Amino acid sequence: SAVISQKPSRDICQRGTSLTIQCQVDSQVTMMFWYRQQPGQSLTLIATANQGSEATYESGFVIDKFPISRPNLTFSTLTVSNMSPEDSSIYLCSATGTWMGEQFFGPGTRLTVL
Amino acid sequence: DAKTTQPTSMDCAEGRAANLPCNHSTISGNEYVYWYRQIHSQGPQYIIHGLKNNETNEMASLIITEDRKSSTLILPHATLRDTAVYYCIVSAGNNRKLIWGLGTSLAVNP
Repeated sequence: SAVISQKPSRDICQRGTSLTIQCQVDSQVTMMFWYRQQPGQSLTLIATANQGSEATYESGFVIDKFPISRPNLTFSTLTVSNMSPEDSSIYLCSATGTWMGEQFFGPGTRLTVL
Repeated sequence: DAKTTQPTSMDCAEGRAANLPCNHSTISGNEYVYWYRQIHSQGPQYIIHGLKNNETNEMASLIITEDRKSSTLILPHATLRDTAVYYCIVSAGNNRKLIWGLGTSLAVNP
């Protein structure tokens, strides 16, 4: 298993600003992912964070809006750029070892955009 | 990936078994059934997965029908801490992408 921490745990931001969320895993993992969970909704995959290369984005999500870095096997960041109130959501980081179906999740970052 | 259907909500008395059903009638031969849960204000937690055979671990049992079109997650002795949203997901063996539905909101009552 893996223990995942995220910073910040929550933030309130102004429209038009950007926020970077950090995800730290306590062991080396194969894959890292970023999800969004809007209020009352299920999880939506934003992108897969690839070590040393550009992230793989899902349909509807673009790099300019959600730039992602993964400089090593245990750390990744997600930036929410030029925020609007529609970006208010919980952002979750997850990671897997060798088995993709078993993902370990961080506690999430609760973002409110005013 | 195959789609799943789960009841929106269920109730269970503390100490009793909680049986959470999931329909996945379009499941393919190489697709696994995964169960996760999400306790309020926390990230999802992996529970169990299976392909054809029934599976049991320290958290739960997974019963998959012979035709694989449905499954049941069993929490043998539910506690108040098992109150959560339970997600049933079907995905190919090493597929990186899990498609999340709305799950079943389980309330365990004293």
